[in-house]
This record gives sequence, structure tokens and C-alpha cells, in this order.
Amino acid sequence: DIQMTQSPSSLSASVGDRVSITCRASQVISNSLAWYQQKPGKAPKLLLYATSRLESGVPSRFSGGGSGTDYTLTISSLQPEDFATYYCQQYYGTPMTFGQGTKLEI
Amino acid sequence: EVQLVDSGGGLVQPGGSLRLSCVASEFDFGSYPMNWVRQAPGKGLEWVSYIASRTSTIYYADPVKGRFTLSRDNSKNSLFLQMNSLRAEDTAIYYCARGSGYLDIWGQGTPVTV
Repeated sequence: DIQMTQSPSSLSASVGDRVSITCRASQVISNSLAWYQQKPGKAPKLLLYATSRLESGVPSRFSGGGSGTDYTLTISSLQPEDFATYYCQQYYGTPMTFGQGTKLEI
Repeated sequence: EVQLVDSGGGLVQPGGSLRLSCVASEFDFGSYPMNWVRQAPGKGLEWVSYIASRTSTIYYADPVKGRFTLSRDNSKNSLFLQMNSLRAEDTAIYYCARGSGYLDIWGQGTPVTV
């Protein structure tokens, strides 16, 4: 199975900050990478897929990049509703696998 | 509104069984592959099982292989997960989710406690 390692595991930031979360795959995943946001007690929500494609309705302050084994989620200017846990997911190999999550706190 | 509604979770003794259901609305359910993903208390996301849209292709994660059975009824816009020989480590919230790669629509989740 392809292992996905996210860093950091937690992050403290303030409204208006620019933050980045990194996801590293154990092998090349050819941009088959998605990012999800999860708030407490809720289902995950798709933010980006294919590394950098924004899901419909997701604000443009979210962006993604990377290639090969290393990928990044960036939030350009944090809003109060962005404080949540974020997961990366690779869908290049079967089974699909997720990172362990990054908790973004105020 | 495009949505998935999960149900069927509950409290069960080790070795017992449960059948989870997921009903889709406002999209062509039969055209989409579907999955179950679970999340143990305080933990991350773990893919459980996948079923193709109209073929018999089904995959299972190793921890559930031989114990869980995934099926679908496209005429009823429904997805099912039969879970047998349940173990304490199967305790989680179970989400159905649409997609063959990235997962764009998720159910609200149904809790399973073993």
C-alpha cells in the first residue's frame, strides 16, 4: 500500500494567515492526490482533486500543488470557518490511502 | 440536492453482524462507483471497500476481507455493507462516498460500536 505522511500533524494560526500543509507519498502518485476538510462531527468535504483542481463551490483561497511524491495544500488567508482537520488522499494505487490528518487550530 | 444518507449502524457484540445502507438521491446512482470509508474514534480515515458502477468489480481492505460483503441495488439507488464477525477494532463511523478515485459526495456517517 502507498503510505501518505502529512506534516505538520497540528498547526496553530490566526485569521488572515497564510498556511501550508504538506503530504508525502511513499512512491510516485502522478498527481492523483485529493484534499479534504473535516469539521467535528461532520463528514469529510472534498476541497481539491488531481493535485490542484478546485472542487465546485470551494473558495479560491484554497490551492494545491506538487508533483511526484510531494504535495501541498495552501490556504492564502485563513478565515474563521477554515479551522478544521485536513486530510490528503492518494488514488493512484489500490487501496486508496489517506494521510493521518492535520489539525488546524486558532 | 445531491446527497447520500447512511443508516444501519448500532451497538453489537463481538462476533455479531450489522448491515449498513446508503441511499442516494438527485444523481444517477447506477453510473457511479461507490465506497465505504470508516473513521475510528479520534483517528483518521480508512478506506474499507469499493464497488464499480455496473460491473461485479469489488475490492476490500485487508482488515475486512472475508468478513464484510459490499453490494448495491441500482434500481433502489442503494448501497449495502454486510458486516459479519465484527471485532472491537471495527468500531468507527462508517461513511459511504461516491467516486472511483477522489470522493466527491459523502454520507453523514453511521456509527458502529463493537
